[in-house]
Amino acid sequence: SAVISQKPSRDICQRGTSLTIQCQVDSQVTMMFWYRQQPGQSLTLIATANQGSEATYESGFVIDKFPISRPNLTFSTLTVSNMSPEDSSIYLCSVEVGGGYEQYFGPGTRLTVT
Amino acid sequence: AQRVTQPEKLLSVFKGAPVELKCNYSYSGSPELFWYVQYSRQRLQLLLRHISRESIKGFTADLNKGETSFHLKKPFAQEEDSAMYYCALGAGGFKTIFGAGTRLFVKA
Repeated sequence: SAVISQKPSRDICQRGTSLTIQCQVDSQVTMMFWYRQQPGQSLTLIATANQGSEATYESGFVIDKFPISRPNLTFSTLTVSNMSPEDSSIYLCSVEVGGGYEQYFGPGTRLTVT
Repeated sequence: AQRVTQPEKLLSVFKGAPVELKCNYSYSGSPELFWYVQYSRQRLQLLLRHISRESIKGFTADLNKGETSFHLKKPFAQEEDSAMYYCALGAGGFKTIFGAGTRLFVKA
């Protein structure tokens, strides 16, 4: 298993600004994921972040808007850049453990853009 | 196309009644399927996975490849089962696709 923490837990930001979300894991993991969960909707994968390589983005998400860092095996950041109200969402970090698809999730960061 | 469908947004049952949360998938390969649960004010967590064929908190789910389904069942619902349930498909390259979720409400 893995225990994941995220900072901040929530924030209210003005449009046009950027927010960096941190994800910390209590053990070393290879695969980390960033998801977005918009109000009333399911989880949508933004990108997969592996240590030592560039993040892999899903269709509809680009590095300029959502730059990701993965400096080591226990930490990652997601930046939401040039925010608009449409970016208001819960952002979730997760890690894969065990070599399969089983994931452990962080508590999420609730972002509101005004 | 790879897809997970949960047709019910909300399911309301009485305590002690059987409950079935439906999940259908579309995937060309050999699927790996999961159920995740999110209780109020808690983080999303894995409930069960089809490869382990286990029962967790009285819940079971059987993979039916013919019907491309992975429905979650429990014979006697409890109030503490009230939560949001997500069906998920391992879709290759460690990518997971989540269904839209079903909110289960168990009434006293």
